[in-house]
Amino acid sequence: GAVVSQHPSRVICKSGTSVKIECRSLDFQATTMFWYRQFPKKSLMLMATSNEGSKATYEQGVEKDKFLINHASLTLSTLTVTSAHPEDSSFYICSAPPDGISYGYTFGSGTRLTVV
Amino acid sequence: QKEVEQDPGPLSVPEGAIVSLNCTYSNSAFQYFMWYRQYSRKGPELLMYTYSSGNKEDGRFTAQLNKASQYVSLLIRDSQPSDSATYLCAPSSNDYKLSFGAGTTVTVRA
Repeated sequence: GAVVSQHPSRVICKSGTSVKIECRSLDFQATTMFWYRQFPKKSLMLMATSNEGSKATYEQGVEKDKFLINHASLTLSTLTVTSAHPEDSSFYICSAPPDGISYGYTFGSGTRLTVV
Repeated sequence: QKEVEQDPGPLSVPEGAIVSLNCTYSNSAFQYFMWYRQYSRKGPELLMYTYSSGNKEDGRFTAQLNKASQYVSLLIRDSQPSDSATYLCAPSSNDYKLSFGAGTTVTVRA
């Protein structure tokens, strides 16, 4: 089945720095990738939809300038948390929609970001 | 009213028990219904997928969908300690965006 590789799995950064999270589709081409954020013991909240070759679509309330999304190729989408603050600490997960062969959405393994 | 509501949990059951997880939704545009299992600090993994009313069985798991009542459930038979996780109900419409319930955390005691 489809596999999405996400890394890093865990990152600690200082306030004010930027962190890049990568998601790669390993055995299929993902023209679309979804980015989610998950707080402890809460469900996944959709942040944005990245589309290969075009601008990402952000959900209401998500700061575009803070969460930069780039989908430069059919196999790579990145989320950069800019000027990170402690309140950005969270679990970030990417997901690719069904690839036409398998049903369901494939999720990355997630990135736990801690801003100190 | 939230778009997707799940039993709040947590649930704690003995090994071998039947676990029943419920999910209701308010958006009639939802067409596809998925159940995901999420272990702590991991990405969700797909358990079941259904799109037509009725039951769908896969091993120890059964998904039941009732579109008229806007209700979907997941049944786990012969539960195992490895089933201890959070279960997420995730419907979607034709725009490919998933909506998630808050999840129900299940603990299966050995």
